[in-house]
Amino acid sequence: DAGVTQSPTHLIKTRGQHVTLRCSPISGHKSVSWYQQVLGQGPQFIFQYYEKEERGRGNFPDRFSARQFPNYSSELNVNALLLGDSALYLCASSLGGQIEQYFGPGTRLTVT
Amino acid sequence: DAKTTQPPSMDCAEGRAANLPCNHSTISGNEYVYWYRQIHSQGPQYIIHGLKNNETNEMASLIITEDRKSSTLILPHATLRDTAVYYCIVRVALNDMRFGAGTRLTVKP
Repeated sequence: DAGVTQSPTHLIKTRGQHVTLRCSPISGHKSVSWYQQVLGQGPQFIFQYYEKEERGRGNFPDRFSARQFPNYSSELNVNALLLGDSALYLCASSLGGQIEQYFGPGTRLTVT
Repeated sequence: DAKTTQPPSMDCAEGRAANLPCNHSTISGNEYVYWYRQIHSQGPQYIIHGLKNNETNEMASLIITEDRKSSTLILPHATLRDTAVYYCIVRVALNDMRFGAGTRLTVKP
């Protein structure tokens, strides 16, 4: 079975631009969470979606938004990119309300 | 802010047990202790979790002290592939997973 997939793998954007990152959860998983991991630090929680509804939000500005589609895939959108948004963006899926999360390989975003 | 404290780095000889400590002195009664690891350039991987009792699975053992203020992850026979950053996390809800800086474990031949 396929694990969590994310696209693209790498992305380079310019300050002020907008970016959309995509995530496909493991088949049967209804919950998707997004994390930001800056180099040298642990992942920081951004959003959690379950059954297409936002169930949690971390301490990130409104430039960050997300949504979950009927097939449980998800998009993370970041507007007005800043240099500090450069990071590895991780998606994790779980059955929903479950303890064990499965992470994808991440999307490496570089903002220049 | 992370609710856990871990040493920044540890070394372990290949084939020996790796014992990774974690302090979570402010843990509440309904908070679980989780361990994940992240091998370079990959997403974190779930290892094990526990509430009060010690737990064991095919990857590791988790020993939680009776007062629940600290725990130890044990990799019984460390291999070079176990070199990774290990994160200890306490979590009360799915949307409250807070990773700290973790422990960088280096397994040496």
